[in-house]
Formats: sequence, C-alpha cells, structure tokens
Amino acid sequence: DTGVSQDPRHKITKRGQNVTFRCDPISEHNRLYWYRQTLGQGPEFLTYFQNEAQLEKSRLLSDRFSAERPKGSFSTLEIQRTEQGDSAMYLCASSFRDNQETQYFGPGTRLLVL
Amino acid sequence: AQSVAQPEDQVNVAEGNPLTVKCTYSVSGNPYLFWYVQYPNRGLQFLLKYITGDNLVKGSYGFEAEFNKSQTSFHLKKPSALVSDSALYFCAVRDHTGFQKLVFGTGTRLLVSP
Repeated sequence: DTGVSQDPRHKITKRGQNVTFRCDPISEHNRLYWYRQTLGQGPEFLTYFQNEAQLEKSRLLSDRFSAERPKGSFSTLEIQRTEQGDSAMYLCASSFRDNQETQYFGPGTRLLVL
Repeated sequence: AQSVAQPEDQVNVAEGNPLTVKCTYSVSGNPYLFWYVQYPNRGLQFLLKYITGDNLVKGSYGFEAEFNKSQTSFHLKKPSALVSDSALYFCAVRDHTGFQKLVFGTGTRLLVSP
C-alpha cells in the first residue's frame, strides 16, 4: 500500500493524559498536513510541513498541541493534557510540490477523550 | 479569507438518476477547487480538482464538476447515480498565495436509493 498511513486508527484516553499520533506520507511527497475533523463538520487545517520545516500553524493549534517532522518523512502530532473537546478525527495528508498539487489523505486517527 | 458553502446537508436521489451536489466558494484571486468523498470511518478520497483550463472537470468514478466563475460555484455532478455513491462529499478551496491549507465546506450527505 503506497498511500498515506496513520497510526493508531483509534485512541481512547482519559482527560489529562498525553497522546501521540503518527503519520507516514506517500514516499515522494515533501509536503505534509494535519487536519482535525469533528462530527458534522469538514476538516479544519491545523499545520503544514514542507520537508522538516513547519511553515504554517492554525490558531486552532493551542500550546498543548505540537507537531514534528524530524527527518522530512513521517510526522507526529502530540496533544498534552487532553481535554474532552479534543475528541475528533485527526487526518493527515501529503502532497508533492508542483503547481497542481493534490492533497492525499490518510484514514485518520479517531480520538476519544473520556 | 477563503470560504466554502455547501447549502444542502443531504441530497436524496434514486439510482440511475442524475445527481448534483452544490458548492459555492469565496476566495481572493483565482481558486483551486477540489471535491473529496468520505465513507464511514474513513479518510477523504480525492475525486477531482479545478486548477485552470476547461470549466468542466472529469474525475474518478464517473463524477464531474463544472466551474462557474461568475457564480463562484463548483457543483459536483454524475449522470447516473449508483447506490455505492452514497457517502459524505466535501468541497474545498485553496487560493494561489503561499498558504497551502485547504478550506472545506461542512459536507453534503448523498443518499442514493435503490
């Protein structure tokens, strides 16, 4: 499978715990994106990497959220001190830098904070 | 600021009939427009995009979309619906600036009855 992969697919945690999600993009893609999708809504942009550089962050990304892409390949999204409002689907996408780039999405990680 | 409106929460159509899912957008400058489909508990699958050129764009699974600059619309169409087309459809827009994020609509649920 050469698509975008995400791990884990589901995560249940208690309020106040830290969680970390991983995204592996399509191998030749140098751009990677994180989005968050809550029930009944479209995905909302969180952050964007070009290679290892984090170039754009949404105001949705509070100081409890941190994302990394240390070697320009896979990325991690960490949420510290989770809150019930963090419950959502976290989607990763990747694209190849050209003038007509398409973002290809992974299956998502569904987070439930109890 | 970029925005997308999908005015219909749900569209119902009988199998074999044509379908239309509506999308209007607001963006400064020329838009990049996308349609994605989401099946239950899955990530988003790319259907088609408009970047430039012919206003009628053909995509995956027999879907097409028509870009109308004067009406700022990008409606998704299919001549003959299948029951398997039942899913959640998202329209998204990106502008030509350096910002890479996609801005999504709230989605339209398509229900195709046998």
